Amino acid sequence: EDQVTQSPEALRLQEGESSSLNCSYTVSGLRGLFWYRQDPGKGPEFLFTLYSAGEEKEKERLKATLTKKESFLHITAPKPEDSATYLCAVQKRINSGGSNYKLTFGKGTLLTVNP
Amino acid sequence: EAQVTQNPRYLITVTGKKLTVTCSQNMNHEYMSWYRQDPGLGLRQIYYSMNVEVTDKGDVPEGYKVSRKEKRNFPLILESPSPNQTSLYFCASSLRGFGGTEAFFGQGTRLTVV
Repeated sequence: EDQVTQSPEALRLQEGESSSLNCSYTVSGLRGLFWYRQDPGKGPEFLFTLYSAGEEKEKERLKATLTKKESFLHITAPKPEDSATYLCAVQKRINSGGSNYKLTFGKGTLLTVNP
Repeated sequence: EAQVTQNPRYLITVTGKKLTVTCSQNMNHEYMSWYRQDPGLGLRQIYYSMNVEVTDKGDVPEGYKVSRKEKRNFPLILESPSPNQTSLYFCASSLRGFGGTEAFFGQGTRLTVV
């Protein structure tokens, strides 16, 4: 059974204190791994897609990396506006030879950055 | 502006009273999907649609129906809502079946069934 586990469940940082969020997965036929940001009461907002081990993507203070078993979302010198829930999702093909995929989400990490 | 629009944003209803949550996207996306989000359980897929008139079950389809008569619309129907369907619902769309393309999510519908 496909599983996506995010840790920690919650993380509280001081402004400027860098850290990392983890997403470990067991998926057969992984096509890609997605990171989303979700603010309270809003829909998830796309951040990154990673496809192969060793790949890295960056956006402002965020950097996502991927290995064969897990992904990390590194947050460098965070600001209070980075406070949100960060969701990881794995993508796999659901029909052989077709173009249909499924996203399976982790439960998220709630990040709070204090000023 | 590219967006996925859900209505209503908030809904309180009684057990057994049929309801429909609408979802519309303006990006000409082929793929649309419904998720529910519950504390401690994360986002779980209810139904998805690969194109007009093509729908299939996700992980938690029981108690829900969908239809895809037009490319832009993908309504979620609860024929006889029950309290265990109280949840936060999200509609999402992407250019193809999430095959490397990002998914756009609506703002969510918070449903309470009493």
